Amino acid sequence: SQTIHQWPATLVQPVGSPLSLECTVEGTSNPNLYWYRQAAGRGLQLLFYSVGIGQISSEVPQNLSASRPQDRQFILSSKKLLLSDSGFYLCASSRGEQFFGPGTRLTVL
Amino acid sequence: GNSVTQMEGPVTLSEEAFLTINCTYTATGYPSLFWYVQYPGEGLQLLLKATKADDKGSNKGFEATYRKETTSFHLEKGSVQVSDSAVYFCALRGDNFNKFYFGSGTKLNVKP
Repeated sequence: SQTIHQWPATLVQPVGSPLSLECTVEGTSNPNLYWYRQAAGRGLQLLFYSVGIGQISSEVPQNLSASRPQDRQFILSSKKLLLSDSGFYLCASSRGEQFFGPGTRLTVL
Repeated sequence: GNSVTQMEGPVTLSEEAFLTINCTYTATGYPSLFWYVQYPGEGLQLLLKATKADDKGSNKGFEATYRKETTSFHLEKGSVQVSDSAVYFCALRGDNFNKFYFGSGTKLNVKP
């Protein structure tokens, strides 16, 4: 079965600083990859998904971006963080059903 | 378009009570349906799934039946435990296999 790694687990960043969250997948090849954000006590918001290397679909226009430099690596970035970027970021992989990583808790101060 | 609606929470039950969490969906074509569970501070885990009408997904005492006529996929468990306390998400995967649609989640609190 698939295993999804995310790091860091927690992150506290000042407003205006850059961001890089990394997700790697084991146990599968050619997966679809996804970034979701979950605000406190809320549901999941799909941010980006990718069906292959270099292929990124953006679901919500904002100051975040995503890249997929390798088949099983998915990176979420920002040049300048906003307060509203705080949340729980989840990476997911799909070859049928979705498997989720453990998440990164981001706090922007 | 595709969407999932699930009952608002929180749902508070005593241990050994019967659980139902309602989920209805709107979709074109023939979606697959899923229930995920999220424990505090963790990612989502797949609980069960059903890929066609009248299929029943089951796992760890939880069940849900894919009802195309009522466009529903309600989650049930006959006797909940304190360890079932978590947030439960209903989801569908539409004909576009690339995207999943999640409900807003239902928090379940089980008291001893």
